[in-house]
Amino acid sequence: DTAVSQTPKYLVTQMGNDKSIKCEQNLGHDTMYWYKQDSKKFLKIMFSYNNKELIINETVPNRFSPKSPDKAHLNLHINSLELGDSAVYFCASSPPTGAFTEAFFGQGTRLTVV
Amino acid sequence: AQSVSQHNHHVILSEAASLELGCNYSYGGTVNLFWYVQYPGQHLQLLLKYFSGDPLVKGIKGFEAEFIKSKFSFNLRKPSVQWSDTAEYFCAVQYTGTASKLTFGTGTRLQVTL
Repeated sequence: DTAVSQTPKYLVTQMGNDKSIKCEQNLGHDTMYWYKQDSKKFLKIMFSYNNKELIINETVPNRFSPKSPDKAHLNLHINSLELGDSAVYFCASSPPTGAFTEAFFGQGTRLTVV
Repeated sequence: AQSVSQHNHHVILSEAASLELGCNYSYGGTVNLFWYVQYPGQHLQLLLKYFSGDPLVKGIKGFEAEFIKSKFSFNLRKPSVQWSDTAEYFCAVQYTGTASKLTFGTGTRLQVTL
């Protein structure tokens, strides 16, 4: 059973397109995240949701819009894709704050914008 | 600003050599500390974590790390590396009051040769 699953695993698209990446976790966690890993492997948080509520929104272009239909899902929609959006996007989840807050990561989505 | 530094960007070792990867973080009060590993083409997996108690923590696959509060450090060690340890290693810090987000170091690429 995959704990945190993302689809698709690979995504190649042209500049200017709109695309979505889906994430689901079956761990019963309340908090979910999106992290971006750039070409130099640097990982940085983009967003975090707790029980469908946005709690972290780092400096991310507003072309990126997260959506959490329920606490087990956190999708990432990207409008007007640019070359610089090429990266690996990781979804993660963690238990409620106050408990051990280890994050569990998905397999990643490699986005290539051409 | 909260930041995490990993001093070694690329480490090459022969099998059976000992490993120590440095990690320092900026002061920010109470912290939780993690080491994650990313094998080629795979997602991040937790190696070990420190929340409180014994500052020497043991993780999976023979890895351990020592939290030295006075030095703001959390170095990763392994007495004898194996070829299968070839991977990218990330130190991460959770600062209190940041809604469980992880601040990552830039990563260290470990290459183990036969």
